[in-house]
Amino acid sequence: GAVVSQHPSWVICKSGTSVKIECRSLDFQATTMFWYRQFPKQSLMLMATSNEGSKATYEQGVEKDKFLINHASLTLSTLTVTSAHPEDSSFYICSAKRVSFPDTQYFGPGTRLTVL
Amino acid sequence: AQSVTQLDSQVPVFEEAPVELRCNYSSSVSVYLFWYVQYPNQGLQLLLKYLSGSTLVKGINGFEAEFNKSQTSFHLRKPSVHISDTAEYFCAVSDGSGNQFYFGTGTSLTVIP
Repeated sequence: GAVVSQHPSWVICKSGTSVKIECRSLDFQATTMFWYRQFPKQSLMLMATSNEGSKATYEQGVEKDKFLINHASLTLSTLTVTSAHPEDSSFYICSAKRVSFPDTQYFGPGTRLTVL
Repeated sequence: AQSVTQLDSQVPVFEEAPVELRCNYSSSVSVYLFWYVQYPNQGLQLLLKYLSGSTLVKGINGFEAEFNKSQTSFHLRKPSVHISDTAEYFCAVSDGSGNQFYFGTGTSLTVIP
């Protein structure tokens, strides 16, 4: 149990375009989902926390107008990178909390974004 | 505030040898502790977690970790490693709400045949 999926697993796009990444909890309801960014050989950096049906809470230094987060249901959150630039290239990982085990985050497989 | 220190960025070890990956944390409140494994180009998989109770926690793939409150440590161990254990390992601490996870910088474990 506690499977989290992400789609796509990798994406290449041109500078200036927008990219949407989906995060789904497959076998549980996730009241809270999280979006992380990971640079090569580094740890995870929390970008934002999203609760179903409400606005996301962004960490300091993360541009909310650039990284749009929508958490429309208990099983789906989306991250849209708007007007992507090469410096946005990174590995984006989502995680989710289960209602029954709120102390633990379960992670998705990640999405590799490359902006040309 | 909490923080996590993983003292070793890289740990090479021969196959079937034991390994210990070190993790120290700092916190002014009670914490929950986690170890996650990340295989290349994949997300994080939960290995084990300590919430309360017995200080020796057993996880998947033969790993175990021991919570030591006096030394504020949560070292990960495995008595005999396999090639397939080659991966990046992250220690994390949470305040218990599940909302704030603080990750260490990771330890790259390389198992040498």
